[in-house]
Amino acid sequence: QKEVEQDPGPLSVPEGAIVSLNCTYSNSAFQYFMWYRQYSRKGPELLMYTYSSGNKEDGRFTAQVDKSSKYISLFIRDSQPSDSATYLCAMSALVLQAGTALIFGKGTTLSVSS
Amino acid sequence: EAGVTQFPSHSVIEKGQTVTLRCDPISGHDNLYWYRRVMGKEIKFLLHFVKESKQDESGMPNNRFLAERTGGTYSTLKVQPAELEDSGVYFCASSSRGGYRTDTQYFGPGTRLTVL
Repeated sequence: QKEVEQDPGPLSVPEGAIVSLNCTYSNSAFQYFMWYRQYSRKGPELLMYTYSSGNKEDGRFTAQVDKSSKYISLFIRDSQPSDSATYLCAMSALVLQAGTALIFGKGTTLSVSS
Repeated sequence: EAGVTQFPSHSVIEKGQTVTLRCDPISGHDNLYWYRRVMGKEIKFLLHFVKESKQDESGMPNNRFLAERTGGTYSTLKVQPAELEDSGVYFCASSSRGGYRTDTQYFGPGTRLTVL
């Protein structure tokens, strides 16, 4: 079983739609949950970062973490064509030393049509 | 402020040849990471430097891969000799703060390596 599972899509939605992206994980040691956005031929760019269970909102983006179910989500409201990208979930465990490796999902490719 | 830069952006080599990838982290970032994405797979961690020291190299696939970070600034990742399965996109990331909380890792654009 992979540590992080993410449906690669592709996911196609019309402009203005609400998008839901999800990841499940198996390692209960994961404490930090991130969503990265990656445009074609670019590196991943951090969108959202959460530590605890619950919701975190930033503009049109909401990150949700349910540690009891080992399930995280990213919601995009009023989606725009500029949101078309690959969205990667990433996680890490708490370690008592400098830095920590990120464990990524495969990424979901999103296309928003105008 | 300049972001993480990587060179070259794309490299095509023959099986058995040597390739060296370079990463320049954000100025002042002590933590430097290498990751790799093989086609169809997820991005996977290779290793982590704190300044010039290797903190964690548990993700390095085998001894054909050698990473260095002389002087704690830029880093190189050498693959010698390259094999077909080494093809993929190699990402470098850097972060500023250590300690026991994860800090934001800023990624470079990646080097696309193709081994023929």
